[in-house]
Amino acid sequence: GENVEQHPSTLSVQEGDSAVIKCTYSDSASNYFPWYKQELGKRPQLIIDIRSNVGEKKDQRIAVTLNKTAKHFSLHITETQPEDSAVYFCAARYESSASKIIFGSGTRLSIRP
Amino acid sequence: DTAVSQTPKYLVTQMGNDKSIKCEQNLGHDTMYWYKQDSKKFLKIMFSYNNKELIINETVPNRFSPKSPDKAHLNLHINSLELGDSAVYFCASSQIAGGPDTQYFGPGTRLTVL
Repeated sequence: GENVEQHPSTLSVQEGDSAVIKCTYSDSASNYFPWYKQELGKRPQLIIDIRSNVGEKKDQRIAVTLNKTAKHFSLHITETQPEDSAVYFCAARYESSASKIIFGSGTRLSIRP
Repeated sequence: DTAVSQTPKYLVTQMGNDKSIKCEQNLGHDTMYWYKQDSKKFLKIMFSYNNKELIINETVPNRFSPKSPDKAHLNLHINSLELGDSAVYFCASSQIAGGPDTQYFGPGTRLTVL
């Protein structure tokens, strides 16, 4: 069925270190994979996305990789800063279900000073 | 200017009551959504409308009824509220149903059922 699994559920890293969040999806026809950041009490906001025709995309300290064969995609944050503390959601667009976006369960990232 | 707005921001009500949440987007998007975020932060889609037509209707109790008077508005009416309905409800919009364009979320409505 439609499912996006996300790991870990919580992640604590030292400021300046890197953070990696991993997701897997079940529909091989999925072609769009956004990542959203939700700060405490705020709305989810897109931080980066990747389409199935590329394997990697980078935007400053944030990068996303996609392995379509394995149906895995990951978010990498380098040189973490206190403002990176938030809940991060991966998502996948399911073509077989009226093109809806299915979200992962979220990763609460904490940056230790 | 606020792209996606929702009212009210907070809603506290008694079990059994009926309440509505309103959503408006000024982005000119064709598609609007309602999501429910529970206490564990899990974001689950409830409904999606494209040009006022219902295209996604997840397994949601029929006490929840969306209404789209025009493509800029998508309201959510909830009948006979239950304790388990307590959550944050987010409205969102996108240019194309489900993407690949970005989904823009509203600020959320925190519903507390007592």
